[in-house]
Amino acid sequence: QKEVEQNSGPLSVPEGAIASLNCTYSDRGSQSFFWYRQYSGKSPELIMSIYSNGDKEDGRFTAQLNKASQYVSLLIRDSQPSDSATYLCAVKVNSGYALNFGKGTSLLVTP
Amino acid sequence: NAGVMQNPRHLVRRRGQEARLRCSPMKGHSHVYWYRQLPEEGLKFMVYLQKENIIDESGMPKERFSAEFPKEGPSILRIQQVVRGDSAAYFCASSEGSGNTIYFGEGSWLTVV
Repeated sequence: QKEVEQNSGPLSVPEGAIASLNCTYSDRGSQSFFWYRQYSGKSPELIMSIYSNGDKEDGRFTAQLNKASQYVSLLIRDSQPSDSATYLCAVKVNSGYALNFGKGTSLLVTP
Repeated sequence: NAGVMQNPRHLVRRRGQEARLRCSPMKGHSHVYWYRQLPEEGLKFMVYLQKENIIDESGMPKERFSAEFPKEGPSILRIQQVVRGDSAAYFCASSEGSGNTIYFGEGSWLTVV
């Protein structure tokens, strides 16, 4: 079974700090990786996508991918209280159509 | 450019009734996906459709659930004879192609009483 694992949290960080969110996946055929943010009662919102090993930066967000270790992470610099949400890791294999989601990590940024 | 539109946003059904959830993809998108999110659970893939075709329904329960995406009109997720365990948020997403990024609608929250 294709699994995507995340620590459920909550992960609590003070405002201005770096939040580090981690995700592991079991299917070595996975080729596309996504981070979504979901506020309570709302729909998932795409933050980052990453396809190649290494780092990808977009504003305060950096996605990191290590296919050998089957590991993808999201760093949020200068965390703000508005970043408090659940962060969903999603993985897609080339042969499939669907995104497989982890259960999400709850992030709380305290003022 | 309107996003993915879902309706109704909230739906209450009694056990045994039918629920119909509608989804209009983003303009220019011909690929539709339905996901279900149970309380305290992650998003689970249900079905992937293109116009008039079901491409992958591997995540759909074998009974009571069906989906369609007709040539004209929105995609419909239909749940017959609902049970309390069907209470969940149902999210529709769309993409331009099968390899493209998918964008989610606001969701339909089904409550079965």
